[in-house]
Amino acid sequence: QSVLTQTPSASGTPGQRVTISCSGSSSDIGSNTVTWYQQLPGTAPKLIIYDNDQRPSGVPDRFFASKSGTSASLTISGLQSEDEAEYFCASRGSNLNGPWVFGGGTKLTVL
Amino acid sequence: EVQLVQSGTEVKKPGESLRISCQGSGYNFGGYWIAWVRQMPGKGLEWMGLIWPGDSDTRYSPSFQGQLTISTDNSINTAYLQWNSLKASDTAMYYCARHVVYYSTGTDAFDIWGQGTMVTVSS
Repeated sequence: QSVLTQTPSASGTPGQRVTISCSGSSSDIGSNTVTWYQQLPGTAPKLIIYDNDQRPSGVPDRFFASKSGTSASLTISGLQSEDEAEYFCASRGSNLNGPWVFGGGTKLTVL
Repeated sequence: EVQLVQSGTEVKKPGESLRISCQGSGYNFGGYWIAWVRQMPGKGLEWMGLIWPGDSDTRYSPSFQGQLTISTDNSINTAYLQWNSLKASDTAMYYCARHVVYYSTGTDAFDIWGQGTMVTVSS
């Protein structure tokens, strides 16, 4: 069972906007920044958001993220077929869980 | 190109030992923490631990402490994940990842990932 809670699945049609949520606690998201990773089928995770809302070079501005309190969200606008992937949120956690904790992942399907 | 390249697929029997590797290139290997992350079949990501290659300072997740060993060989820019006695429950994909600190904000992330090493433990 993952420390951060994500809805297991989400879907949208090309061009739509979809939002993925990530819920934590005061010990993790509430006290630390959130990162988001995209895992395309059969590949390694890729960093797409750091510091709650910053995109690394090369990540399209269709990907937008925010954090409020103990929750965070990732919004993908202008959905494209290549966005079909699993998305994981992560944050530093409390000492009991170790320095980093991940969400269980949200499988995004582009219909 | 900055990259982490991991060793290949492993198939082992319960009780056997194993060491998998992660070789960095294209950057100062000794200047970044290297983390290991587990992904069990069909499941999410779990942070296992990380190591500072410069002095081998190692931190383990409480969930993995005592179950495995993380080490490095700086002479060949390589980090390792080692088990002395594998269990069927160790079957998973294992990723190494570079930990980066954004000094302008003091925040951090795992910015470069290896391609993963699949470990299957079965009798």
